[in-house]
Amino acid sequence: SQTIHQWPATLVQPVGSPLSLECTVEGTSNPNLYWYRQAAGRGLQLLFYSVGIGQISSEVPQNLSASRPQDRQFILSSKKLLLSDSGFYLCAWSRADTQYFGPGTRLTVL
Amino acid sequence: SQKIEQNSEALNIQEGKTATLTCNYTNYSPAYLQWYRQDPGRGPVFLLLIRENEKEKRKERLKVTFDTTLKQSLFHITASQPADSATYLCALTAGDDYKLSFGAGTTVTVRA
Repeated sequence: SQTIHQWPATLVQPVGSPLSLECTVEGTSNPNLYWYRQAAGRGLQLLFYSVGIGQISSEVPQNLSASRPQDRQFILSSKKLLLSDSGFYLCAWSRADTQYFGPGTRLTVL
Repeated sequence: SQKIEQNSEALNIQEGKTATLTCNYTNYSPAYLQWYRQDPGRGPVFLLLIRENEKEKRKERLKVTFDTTLKQSLFHITASQPADSATYLCALTAGDDYKLSFGAGTTVTVRA
């Protein structure tokens, strides 16, 4: 069966510090991968998606970037965090129409 | 602009009753529509998918309808239980790249 991991589970970072969130998928190959952000009480905002190694599409201009160095690894990064980057970050994978989400990372920028 | 609207932010119902959630969309022509459940602090979990040529889909106590003329989906939880308390999200896709657009969700609370 397939599993998806995200870490860390929670993170508190000062404004201006860098960020690296990691997502890995097990049990499948060549998945589509997605990064979402969910603000408190809001819906999911798609940030990035990837259909293959090194292929990244950005949905919203922002302070973040994504990379896919391996088939089942997806990384979300920032060089300098802003207060507005706080939120719940979710990674997801799909092979077709249904998406499967990881447990999420709660990021608080102070 | 494209928009997905889910009815009222919160729905409180008595155990055993049927909860009905609404998802309306504008400026989409989705090939299919999905419903997800999200518990606090957790990632969403897929529940049901209904395609544009399907009128209704059922899974245990869940039922989804899809009316492409009205641009609306209804999500029903029958014989609701306190364990059904969660936020329910509808999601649409319109293309071949499997990107989903999500509504803000409806939070359901089932009282014992």
